[in-house]
Amino acid sequence: EVQLVESGGGLVQPGRSLRLSCAASGFTFDDFAMHWVRQPPGTGLEWVAGISWNSETIRYADSVRGRFTISRDNDKNSLYLQMTSLRPDDTAFYFCAKDRAFTGTTGIDYWGQGNLVTVSS
Amino acid sequence: NFMLTQPHSVSESPGETVTISCTRSSGRIASNYVQWYQQRPGTSPTTLIYEDNQRHSGVPDRFSGSVDSSSNSASLTISGLQTEDEADYYCQCYDGDNQRWVFGGGTKLTVL
Repeated sequence: EVQLVESGGGLVQPGRSLRLSCAASGFTFDDFAMHWVRQPPGTGLEWVAGISWNSETIRYADSVRGRFTISRDNDKNSLYLQMTSLRPDDTAFYFCAKDRAFTGTTGIDYWGQGNLVTVSS
Repeated sequence: NFMLTQPHSVSESPGETVTISCTRSSGRIASNYVQWYQQRPGTSPTTLIYEDNQRHSGVPDRFSGSVDSSSNSASLTISGLQTEDEADYYCQCYDGDNQRWVFGGGTKLTVL
């Protein structure tokens, strides 16, 4: 059974940093690309970033490029999102998601349960 | 950059059939595969359809996807509606020109 478990969320002040983690199990982690998708409370889904199986191809949404960094550790079956210069409009549930293939262009097949990040003073 | 536009909400009665559209604002809908996701209240999304019309494992055949080039849109059709189908539905596709994923705004399905 595929499991994606996010951690690291919480309340943070504007301008500060936070690192999200996602522990993956139930599949061969280094065979697949991974993504972060977020959802501000009460609104729709927004893709944040994606990383290929070997970390060679990384993509970001314009809204986070230059502030957020996606990375992975295949030895630890883990995905990360380092968020800096956080703004109130970054407040959202952040979902870790598994791609169907190794490139990151085929679509998501499994989602984590989500982790809330609240940016407020 | 293109957008994917969905109706804000749809409603239908149990046992009936409903279709949710997802219209691409520019570029051909057939250029990139479309995926569909379901999100029940208070839960994380789950995958329904990938590559326009392929059902994810475990998804009932009441759910089907299609693409119509004439309207430049994709559609999710749910037949034999059940109360458990009440949820938000999102379409998604990949924008290869800008190397980003695009989600539609979501459609709230109410099963009356």
